[in-house]
Amino acid sequence: SAVISQKPSRDICQRGTSLTIQCQVDSQVTMMFWYRQQPGQSLTLIATANQGSEATYESGFVIDKFPISRPNLTFSTLTVSNMSPEDSSIYLCSVEWDRGPWDEQFFGPGTRLTVL
Amino acid sequence: SQQGEEDPQALSIQEGENATMNCSYKTSINNLQWYRQNSGRGLVHLILIRSNEREKHSGRLRVTLDTSKKSSSLLITASRAADTASYFCATVYSGGSNYKLTFGKGTLLTVNP
Repeated sequence: SAVISQKPSRDICQRGTSLTIQCQVDSQVTMMFWYRQQPGQSLTLIATANQGSEATYESGFVIDKFPISRPNLTFSTLTVSNMSPEDSSIYLCSVEWDRGPWDEQFFGPGTRLTVL
Repeated sequence: SQQGEEDPQALSIQEGENATMNCSYKTSINNLQWYRQNSGRGLVHLILIRSNEREKHSGRLRVTLDTSKKSSSLLITASRAADTASYFCATVYSGGSNYKLTFGKGTLLTVNP
């Protein structure tokens, strides 16, 4: 397993602004992912953060709204741009070592975002 | 949608009782994983069961997998108040990405002291 931290742990933001969330892992990992959990809902994969290249986005998520960076094997950021109240969610990063189809994913503590 | 379904959506039991949660999914899988989430915080990985396995144990947890019925169950024995949390199943579908997790809607378990 790994120790995964996220910053900030929570934030309250105004409509139209942007927030960048950081995910730091204490060891090098192969895969890093970003998920969204809307209030009372399950988790939905936003994108896979690829080191040194553009992230791979899932259907319904676009780079202009959720730009992602991954400069190395231990760090990634997710920006929520031009926020609206509908973006109020918990955002979680997860990591995996990609040892095969039976690999576990480990999650960070999440960032609780409220947009007013 | 490939999203799985858990049932029940909510479960309330007394401390010491067993809790059983079920998960159904729609297509062939490589593995199925169960996670716990306390009060909207990060997810804790509980157990992974591969598609060629039928049952797995970890402490007070027992997971079964029936690929013919496309379903899984999570049994927590001798529950404790600290087990109060939301429980999610997540699947990795075969034929797709090795890493993409598709989560079910979750079961909210309340264990009353």
